[in-house]
Amino acid sequence: DVKVTQSSRYLVKRTGEKVFLECVQDMDHENMFWYRQDPGLGLRLIYFSYDVKMKEKGDIPEGYSVSREKKERFSLILESASTNQTSMYLCASSFRRGYTFGSGTRLTVV
Amino acid sequence: AQSVSQHNHHVILSEAASLELGCNYSYGGTVNLFWYVQYPGQHLQLLLKYFSGDPLVKGIKGFEAEFIKSKFSFNLRKPSVQWSDTAEYFCAVNSGGGADGLTFGKGTHLIIQP
Repeated sequence: DVKVTQSSRYLVKRTGEKVFLECVQDMDHENMFWYRQDPGLGLRLIYFSYDVKMKEKGDIPEGYSVSREKKERFSLILESASTNQTSMYLCASSFRRGYTFGSGTRLTVV
Repeated sequence: AQSVSQHNHHVILSEAASLELGCNYSYGGTVNLFWYVQYPGQHLQLLLKYFSGDPLVKGIKGFEAEFIKSKFSFNLRKPSVQWSDTAEYFCAVNSGGGADGLTFGKGTHLIIQP
């Protein structure tokens, strides 16, 4: 089975901090994604990447950036964390039309 | 841009009742359709998916969904729900080969009362 591993299950950060959320997949998938999940809003796509060093904006990229230096790793960066970025963040990878999601990182910004 | 609409945000049913959760999407071209489930405290799991062929799709745990192209719908059904079906259900859609991510609905919170 494909595994998508997110390095932290829970994170608490202060407003203004630079935050890195890490995601690693073990099946050589080309496509990787970052979503945030909020109650009543479902999952919304932040950024995605279809190859190393490639990135595309999703529906809500403001306040975020990403890095993909290696095929298996896709990092989400909050340049200056704000309280409205408190959320559950989900990473996913895909090959053709099959998607696998990580367990999520619950980020609280105080 | 694609959009997905799930009509029911909260549904409460008794055990053994039949379930139908509505899902409509806006994209007019070829689409791939998915239903995911998220049990309390757990990660997203794929219930079923439709890419092409028979519009009636069977998934895990006794769930099925029917793709009706003329109605842009992909409703989820289960003839008899169990308490363990209590969860959040998400409909999702994408087009093409899957490189561009999934567009999700806002979810339906299903509570099954014993």
